[in-house]
Amino acid sequence: AQSVTQPDIHITVSEGASLELRCNYSYGATPYLFWYVQSPGQGLQLLLKYFSGDTLVQGIKGFEAEFKRSQSSFNLRKPSVHWSDAAEYFCAVINAGGTSYGKLTFGQGTILTVHP
Amino acid sequence: NAGVTQTPKFQVLKTGQSMTLQCAQDMNHEYMSWYRQDPGMGLRLIHYSVGAGITDQGEVPNGYNVSRSTTEDFPLRLLSAAPSQTSVYFCASSYQQGTYEQYFGPGTRLTVT
Repeated sequence: AQSVTQPDIHITVSEGASLELRCNYSYGATPYLFWYVQSPGQGLQLLLKYFSGDTLVQGIKGFEAEFKRSQSSFNLRKPSVHWSDAAEYFCAVINAGGTSYGKLTFGQGTILTVHP
Repeated sequence: NAGVTQTPKFQVLKTGQSMTLQCAQDMNHEYMSWYRQDPGMGLRLIHYSVGAGITDQGEVPNGYNVSRSTTEDFPLRLLSAAPSQTSVYFCASSYQQGTYEQYFGPGTRLTVT
């Protein structure tokens, strides 16, 4: 069965610092990967997605993620964090076949705190 | 386009009560789903639907019922609420079942006492 692991439950960075949120997945075939962000009291907003092609994908709000098949990872990065980036971030993989076709599996989430 | 809407935003129930969480989308999406979000567990799939009249169970379906009589609406029913169902519930939709972006509603925060 597919699974997603976000090793860091909570990360704190200073405003202006760089950020990397880790995501590891377990999936038998080519994964379709997503990063979502959830601001407090809000729904989930898609930051970026990887389906195929260039392994470095650009998203909204200055975020990017790199797919590394050899490491089963899809880490999210941002070169300079803004206070408004404080939120919870979810990595997810979608099942592209079989009986769970279209099923989205989420990681546990990483809470980002930004210090001024 | 309102996107995915959910009502109510907040609800408090007593154990044993029943209620329906409403979800609607105006994007003509075929695929709709319900998730619950609990601290440290991410989002878990409760039920989903690939089109009007077709529903199926997800990862944590017990205690919940769904139906899909129209493309637009996908209500989630709690038959007899239990404290373990205290959670935040999200409805999502996408163009079709498959590798498509899912759009999420704002959520319903449910407390069962």
